[in-house]
Amino acid sequence: DQQVKQNSPSLSVQEGRISILNCDYTNSMFDYFLWYKKYPAEGPTFLISISSIKDKNEDGRFTVFLNKSAKHLSLHIVPSQPGDSAVYFCAASMRGGTSYDKVIFGPGTSLSVIP
Amino acid sequence: DAGVTQSPTHLIKTRGQQVTLRCSPISGHKSVSWYQQVLGQGPQFIFQYYEKEERGRGNFPDRFSARQFPNYSSELNVNALLLGDSALYLCASSLAGGPKFFGPGTRLTVL
Repeated sequence: DQQVKQNSPSLSVQEGRISILNCDYTNSMFDYFLWYKKYPAEGPTFLISISSIKDKNEDGRFTVFLNKSAKHLSLHIVPSQPGDSAVYFCAASMRGGTSYDKVIFGPGTSLSVIP
Repeated sequence: DAGVTQSPTHLIKTRGQQVTLRCSPISGHKSVSWYQQVLGQGPQFIFQYYEKEERGRGNFPDRFSARQFPNYSSELNVNALLLGDSALYLCASSLAGGPKFFGPGTRLTVL
């Protein structure tokens, strides 16, 4: 039972263009969402998060959009750079305002930015 | 400021053995969580500790246990190792909730 889905295992984008990574979730109790990127032989690096009370959060080149009715979120990277080539994980949790975090990760999308 | 550190980097064990993995969080971070990442999959939540108390546990057998020390460092123990326990074990720390900073992981191979 995969609660967080990333249906595109891989994505290729030209340098300078927009990268859009998609994520779907099944549990309507999730109220906090995170994106990470991971290079080989390193731990995941936190990129950006969004609470369920918002529908958009922006941080530099990274923007996350949340559509609660569709249980869908997306990460936009503009402009894409070769250094963005990595595996991107979408993750979700039920925080309920506490410090408890059982974070559920998706399977990841491998992004390749072509120079 | 030092990031999250994990030791050892790599480990090879045989079936039935026991292993202890260690994690030092970023200074001042009170929340530590452990994840298992099998090749080709996303990390899977094992445990979260906050202020030395277990706050959450994932769907892992009782062979997996953990603890957090007064200095907020943490250990993950796995008993009676199985071949399927071979994975990258990740530790993450944060001030309060949400695994914001991950260590480089411990690669465990069970033969």
